[in-house]
Amino acid sequence: AQKITQTQPGMFVQEKEAVTLDCTYDTSDPSYGLFWYKQPSSGEMIFLIYQGSYDQQNATEGRYSLNFQKARKSANLVISASQLGDSAMYFCAMRERGRDDKIIFGKGTRLHILP
Amino acid sequence: NAGVTQTPKFQVLKTGQSMTLQCAQDMNHEYMSWYRQDPGMGLRLIHYSVGAGITDQGEVPNGYNVSRSTTEDFPLRLLSAAPSQTSVYFCASRFTPSGGLGNEQFFGPGTRLTVL
Repeated sequence: AQKITQTQPGMFVQEKEAVTLDCTYDTSDPSYGLFWYKQPSSGEMIFLIYQGSYDQQNATEGRYSLNFQKARKSANLVISASQLGDSAMYFCAMRERGRDDKIIFGKGTRLHILP
Repeated sequence: NAGVTQTPKFQVLKTGQSMTLQCAQDMNHEYMSWYRQDPGMGLRLIHYSVGAGITDQGEVPNGYNVSRSTTEDFPLRLLSAAPSQTSVYFCASRFTPSGGLGNEQFFGPGTRLTVL
């Protein structure tokens, strides 16, 4: 069964430090995609970054990078030089080609950036 | 483009009442989905549609109906509201390009529903 696990319900990080948000996934489909979304307190869902299962390099988008370890089925989000505005809920999600293209989400990690 | 729009933003229902949450997108996306978000549960897929006239169930479909008569609209119907359906509901849409998996899913602003 498709499954996304985010083991950190909450994290506190000092401003300007790097932070890693964990995500592991379970799939038997060789073709899949992994996403990270940010949800600030205002409630909207903001797409951050995408990694395909066949991508050779880890995805990067500005201060966001995805540490993709395929053998370990891990897709951790790394935020470099954290800012107060990074305080939010972060969701990992997966999409499988063979499952009607559904996108399934993890339970999320609430990140608090401390000044 | 307005993107994905949802109405209403807030709604309070009494147990047993019915209502329809509206979702529309103007990006000509084939794929549309409904999720509910509950504290500690993340986003759970209720129903989805891969194109007009085609719908299917997600993880938590019970108590909800959907239809997709046009590409633009994907309403979610609660036939007999229950307190367990108190949640924030998100509609989302995206393209479904052949051979690709990476296209972004666009979300509406959400509807906060309370069932008393």
